[in-house]
Amino acid sequence: DSGVTQTPKHLITATGQRVTLRCSPRSGDLSVYWYQQSLDQGLQFLIQYYNGEERAKGNILERFSAQQFPDLHSELNLSSLELGDSALYFCASSVVPGGPYNEQFFGPGTRLTVL
Amino acid sequence: GENVEQHPSTLSVQEGDSAVIKCTYSDSASNYFPWYKQELGKRPQLIIDIRSNVGEKKDQRIAVTLNKTAKHFSLHITETQPEDSAVYFCAASMAGSTLGRLYFGRGTQLTVWP
Repeated sequence: DSGVTQTPKHLITATGQRVTLRCSPRSGDLSVYWYQQSLDQGLQFLIQYYNGEERAKGNILERFSAQQFPDLHSELNLSSLELGDSALYFCASSVVPGGPYNEQFFGPGTRLTVL
Repeated sequence: GENVEQHPSTLSVQEGDSAVIKCTYSDSASNYFPWYKQELGKRPQLIIDIRSNVGEKKDQRIAVTLNKTAKHFSLHITETQPEDSAVYFCAASMAGSTLGRLYFGRGTQLTVWP
């Protein structure tokens, strides 16, 4: 158990819908990263937050957005869902981005299925 | 930005043999190189990492080597066991920068046959 929690574990929804994925970082970690992993694909970086502020954006679609709250949990919002959005969504956390100890620890993921 | 290449994409070995996975990176400013193991449907788990001030690091049957000049690093698994079967990802990042995002390779599917 990495200490990073994600809810829900599974999500099944229809095209055009909107969903929210939630992540709680390890205690003491200030930075949260979101990744998407499609079938047989690698880990695609979506977005990073540090202490409530957006720090970096990767291949995140305009239909997707995220935020980090004062208690440091983060939410990833996916809207106007398409079949191709079906994937495993992971969140990871680290103490301080770019600090001397840059280990990122992953949550168990949310498996999103869009029908 | 950084670009990480990983080879091979698949690797099959007999139990007890060694396995080597290689990665190259493009940005000489990268100084932190972790390796993750991911079993089917599970989270990526950090198994070992190395920083640019070190050339080699070992942890039991796993070792990682880094050649900063050539910008490549490798994962070595000795005495492989069936439970080593998984997808392995290498990554690179800049510890000390304000970002710290990881740039991942595309992964290597390792299969260890009993």
